[in-house]
Amino acid sequence: AQSVSQHNHHVILSEAASLELGCNYSYGGTVNLFWYVQYPGQHLQLLLKYFSGDPLVKGIKGFEAEFIKSKFSFNLRKPSVQWSDTAEYFCAVRRGSTLGRLYFGRGTQLTVWP
Amino acid sequence: EAGVAQSPRYKIIEKRQSVAFWCNPISGHATLYWYQQILGQGPKLLIQFQNNGVVDDSQLPKDRFSAERLKGVDSTLKIQPAKLEDSAVYLCASSSQGIPLGQYFGPGTRLTVT
Repeated sequence: AQSVSQHNHHVILSEAASLELGCNYSYGGTVNLFWYVQYPGQHLQLLLKYFSGDPLVKGIKGFEAEFIKSKFSFNLRKPSVQWSDTAEYFCAVRRGSTLGRLYFGRGTQLTVWP
Repeated sequence: EAGVAQSPRYKIIEKRQSVAFWCNPISGHATLYWYQQILGQGPKLLIQFQNNGVVDDSQLPKDRFSAERLKGVDSTLKIQPAKLEDSAVYLCASSSQGIPLGQYFGPGTRLTVT
């Protein structure tokens, strides 16, 4: 069965610290990969996505993620976090079809202290 | 453009009662998804529509859950009768068949079953 693992359930950082959130998936075929963010009181928003091509993708607000096929990973990074990055982050995977279901990880709560 | 609309935002019912949620996707989006997000977990797909046809309902508990999208636009998800374990946020998302930009989520309906 398809599964998505997010290794950290809660990450606490100070402003300007670097961030890396891990995401691994179990499906061996072609995948589309996503990171969604949910700010407090808001709905899920797409942060960035990977479909094909350059495995290093850049998203909004300075976030980036790297697809490493051999490791089945799609880790999210940001060199310097801000207080406004406090949110819950979800990794999601979709098999090759562009309209298929998303399989979500359980999420990582990021808290950034000013 | 307007986002995905959902109502109600909150609902509290007693077990064995019935409840219905409504979703209006982004205009022109042919694909509509209903997800269930239990506290502490990532969203899990319940059902996916392509226009007014069901594409994937493999995770829908069909003995108590039903969904329809009669005119290929808005959709209703119903639970009858509700159980305590149905307490969750029910998310609606939509996507376009064109450029695969990912799924756009609504604000969700938080259901509490007492």
